[in-house]
Amino acid sequence: DVVMTQSPLSLPVTLGQPASISCRSSQSLVYSDGNTHLTWFQQRPGQPPRRLIYRVSNRDSGVPDRFSGSGSGTDFTLKISRVEAEDVGVYYCAQGSHWPPWTFGQGTKVEIK
Amino acid sequence: EVQLVESGGDLVQPGGSLRLSCAASGFSFSSYWMHWVRQAPGKGLVWVSYINNDGSATDYAESVKGRFTISRDNAKSTLYLQMSSLRAEDTAVYYCTNLLGPWGQGTLVTVSS
Repeated sequence: DVVMTQSPLSLPVTLGQPASISCRSSQSLVYSDGNTHLTWFQQRPGQPPRRLIYRVSNRDSGVPDRFSGSGSGTDFTLKISRVEAEDVGVYYCAQGSHWPPWTFGQGTKVEIK
Repeated sequence: EVQLVESGGDLVQPGGSLRLSCAASGFSFSSYWMHWVRQAPGKGLVWVSYINNDGSATDYAESVKGRFTISRDNAKSTLYLQMSSLRAEDTAVYYCTNLLGPWGQGTLVTVSS
């Protein structure tokens, strides 16, 4: 199984400041179709997860452009350019290149300092 | 608008059974693979099972293999998860999702005597 490792697991951030979350996979996520199926989900407190970014760097409709995804192979990053209060929650990376199983990272909790 | 509404969660004794349902609307349900993902209280997301668009292929996490059965009724746009031989460690909120769009609010399964 592909293991997804996120860091940090807790990220206190000052409003308006940038934030960055790392996600590493135990093997390359390049799929046989040439795509890299790395997804970022946001889970606000008391809410179900919501997809933010798919195939490494593609923002979903309605996702603010302060969110960006990057990376390749086994190393990926989610960046928030300027953290807002509504960004508080837990962020998960997930892979869909080597399935089953689909696997998630442990989650990174973003909170305001 | 895409909607997924899970139901069927309940308090059940260890060794018991439960059937979860997920009613989908707002998208072409029969065109998508569907998944169940669970989240134990205070914990991260864990993939449980998937079914392909016509129901001819399924797979399961090792932890539920042989105990859970996923199925779908495309005519009713409904996904199911039949759960048997339930254990305390199956206690979680169960989400249905196609991993692409919005998730449902989830349904809580509690396994306890």
